[in-house]
Amino acid sequence: GAVVSQHPSRVICKSGTSVKIECRSLDFQATTMFWYRQFPKQSLMLMATSNEGSKATYEQGVEKDKFLINHASLTLSTLTVTSAHPEDSSFYICSYGTSGTDTQYFGPGTRLTVL
Amino acid sequence: RKEVEQDPGPFNVPEGATVAFNCTYSNSASQSFFWYRQDCRKEPKLLMSVYSSGNEDGRFTAQLNRASQYISLLIRDSKLSDSATYLCVVNRFYGQNFVFGPGTRLSVLP
Repeated sequence: GAVVSQHPSRVICKSGTSVKIECRSLDFQATTMFWYRQFPKQSLMLMATSNEGSKATYEQGVEKDKFLINHASLTLSTLTVTSAHPEDSSFYICSYGTSGTDTQYFGPGTRLTVL
Repeated sequence: RKEVEQDPGPFNVPEGATVAFNCTYSNSASQSFFWYRQDCRKEPKLLMSVYSSGNEDGRFTAQLNRASQYISLLIRDSKLSDSATYLCVVNRFYGQNFVFGPGTRLSVLP
């Protein structure tokens, strides 16, 4: 299957700072990218969907000005958590999909802790 | 009501046991269905896609009942390595609009 990497795997930051998470597809070109977050003991919740070169579509309740998504190329997407607060502490996972299929390939996730 | 619901768990079973997980979904327009497993602090990994006719992969059998909007996963001869959280995933529409269930935790005990 496809390989997806995320960086960093773990980050601890102070409240009020911004954190950028990178998601790369290593062996294929992804047309659609998804960002999820997972709070402890809960399931994955979709935050936003983006297609390469287009603005992201955010799920209800997700602030687009706080969670900035850039999908500038078919192999790289970034999520920036701006002015992070402790309640943003979570496991953030990206995934890529390709047009015409149901398959999603998940990155290994980034654990964000905001102090 | 949540769009995808699963057995609350946790399930604690001895090695060699057979265990079944249930999942229901509320959106009748859902197109495709999957079971993923997620180990602690890791990303979800696809276990099986679920087809209308039911499908089997080794010790794992998945079934779908569209009329009842119900999906199941059966694990036979449980191994210690099967310990994980099992996520029922429903694709709302064609185009990878995934909705994850809350997951059912399985612990296989020696």
